[in-house]
Amino acid sequence: KAGVTQTPRYLIKTRGQQVTLSCSPISGHRSVSWYQQTPGQGLQFLFEYFSETQRNKGNFPGRFSGRQFSNSRSEMNVSTLELGDSALYLCASEGLANTGELFFGEGSRLTVL
Amino acid sequence: QQQVKQSPQSLIVQKGGISIINCAYENTAFDYFPWYQQFPGKGPALLIAIRPDVSEKKEGRFTISFNKSAKQFSLHIMDSQPGDSATYFCATRSGSARQLTFGSGTQLTVLP
Repeated sequence: KAGVTQTPRYLIKTRGQQVTLSCSPISGHRSVSWYQQTPGQGLQFLFEYFSETQRNKGNFPGRFSGRQFSNSRSEMNVSTLELGDSALYLCASEGLANTGELFFGEGSRLTVL
Repeated sequence: QQQVKQSPQSLIVQKGGISIINCAYENTAFDYFPWYQQFPGKGPALLIAIRPDVSEKKEGRFTISFNKSAKQFSLHIMDSQPGDSATYFCATRSGSARQLTFGSGTQLTVLP
């Protein structure tokens, strides 16, 4: 069974640009969450999607957005990039059993110059 | 607002020793307490988890101890091995919020 796949794995952008990150959950998983990981702030929740609907959102500015498609794949977008957006962006999926167990991908490492 | 406090920040243990990492939480609505293990370049992976209706859960060399009244839980790694060297995160979640709140992480180094 394939795990959570995130693309791209690494990317470099400049301030003011925008970026789109992609996540393919484990087959059959319909819940997808996104987290930002930085050395200073640790792991912080961005948002969670289920059946194409955003169910929960963390405390991030509106520049951070996401969506989920009918095949459960998800994308997140960050507009008007700032230096502080440099981070590892992690996607996680959860099965229908709602056990609470999240399966994380390896992340997309974004560097903003 | 830091809702989960994790300590220590770093830990060095000799091979065969016991590694202990502690977490304290504030929100009594939390009902799920997992520990995640993260290796460099990888995403976090669930190691072991507990719900508040039990005080201890053991899986192999890994044990969670849970103290509901003190709002604390800890991870014990018995017979620590160099392969256990990683960053460990505690987390909490409430059923309604459906998001994990993570501790700040503990970098564990097990010396051979």
